[in-house]
Amino acid sequence: AQRVTQPEKLLSVFKGAPVELKCNYSYSGSPELFWYVQYSRQRLQLLLRHISRESIKGFTADLNKGETSFHLKKPFAQEEDSAMYYCALSRQGGTSYGKLTFGQGTILTVHP
Amino acid sequence: DAGVTQSPTHLIKTRGQQVTLRCSPKSGHDTVSWYQQALGQGPQFIFQYYEEEERQRGNFPDRFSGHQFPNYSSELNVNALLLGDSALYLCASSLLGQPSSGNTIYFGEGSWLTVV
Repeated sequence: AQRVTQPEKLLSVFKGAPVELKCNYSYSGSPELFWYVQYSRQRLQLLLRHISRESIKGFTADLNKGETSFHLKKPFAQEEDSAMYYCALSRQGGTSYGKLTFGQGTILTVHP
Repeated sequence: DAGVTQSPTHLIKTRGQQVTLRCSPKSGHDTVSWYQQALGQGPQFIFQYYEEEERQRGNFPDRFSGHQFPNYSSELNVNALLLGDSALYLCASSLLGQPSSGNTIYFGEGSWLTVV
């Protein structure tokens, strides 16, 4: 069975501080990992995906297959980063694509 | 492009009743998935529709059923509602068969269902 674990329900940092949101997964196969973000009163939207290896809004995430982790990092947090963040997993390609398994989410609050 | 649209946005039902939620996928998308998000939890996959057929299903009882129409829009039906069915129901759309790097799953704003 596939599972995504986000150990922190709440995370608070001050503006300008580094932030790391943790995500661990269990999956037998080749997963595709995502981070989704939900800002206040907005819909769930894709932040980044591991296969793109891109940086969005200053956030990066590296897939560590040895540790089965996909932690989200940003060196200098901004107040507008305050949101709910979900780590999610999918099987790569094929008919399984589109079925996402989500973690429980981490609420990030960035204080001024 | 309005993206994924869902209706209604909010509704209240009584235990034992039936409910139908509707979803229109993003333009160009052919696959619709439904998720249930209980308060304080991450979304949970209910099922996925492609070519008007249910292709995958999560761990949900048969009270949850769906349909996809030729125009790719979809409905989620829940029968014999329980108090525990109270949740945000999210619709997501994607384009099946595209390379992963170019395929993004888009979510709607959801339908809030309260069962009393």
